[in-house]
Amino acid sequence: ETGVTQTPRHLVMGMTNKKSLKCEQHLGHNAMYWYKQSAKKPLELMFVYSLEERVENNSVPSRFSPECPNSSHLFLHLHTLQPEDSALYLCASSQDRFLGFREKLFFGSGTQLSVL
Amino acid sequence: EDKVVQSPLSLVVHEGDTVTLNCSYEVTNFRSLLWYKQEKKAPTFLFMLTSSGIEKKSGRLSSILDKKELSSILNITATQTGDSAIYLCAVEANNNAGNMLTFGGGTRLMVKP
Repeated sequence: ETGVTQTPRHLVMGMTNKKSLKCEQHLGHNAMYWYKQSAKKPLELMFVYSLEERVENNSVPSRFSPECPNSSHLFLHLHTLQPEDSALYLCASSQDRFLGFREKLFFGSGTQLSVL
Repeated sequence: EDKVVQSPLSLVVHEGDTVTLNCSYEVTNFRSLLWYKQEKKAPTFLFMLTSSGIEKKSGRLSSILDKKELSSILNITATQTGDSAIYLCAVEANNNAGNMLTFGGGTRLMVKP
């Protein structure tokens, strides 16, 4: 148990659906991240939030919309996704975004998303 | 653009074998190199390396960084089936936006009984 909880574990959605992924961290961290892990591609950083403010958006399509209502919760809202968006979506947290990652990047177990 | 490459892509060994996984990188303003183990879904931290030539060790796992060669190796001795996982290398670098972590594609290790 890493202290980062993601729900749901699995999600199947059609291209016209709207769904949300949820992440919660119980570690008192100030920074939270969304990563995408596709088959045959490295982990890709999607969004970074530091103290509830989005500090990074790595050219992610607008059909992915993050939300960070407080430092413990992070959402990824999904709408009109494409089949190529099928992947494992990992949430992570760290103590502080700008003091360096060091070893303290904690990952959740991910949401395995399939878009039909 | 920062780049991290891991080799081999996948590896199948038998219990008791020793394996060496490789990670090479090209980044600007290197800060550290990290190794993670991803067994099912959540990557878990193994090592962080910042200084060249100093070995980090934890049980049967060890890792060393070579800053001159821009690379690192992860060694696993006397492998067990529980070592089967994807091993991820990530490099932390500093740019104007702050500290970035770039992951390699991983090495998938399977240890057979």
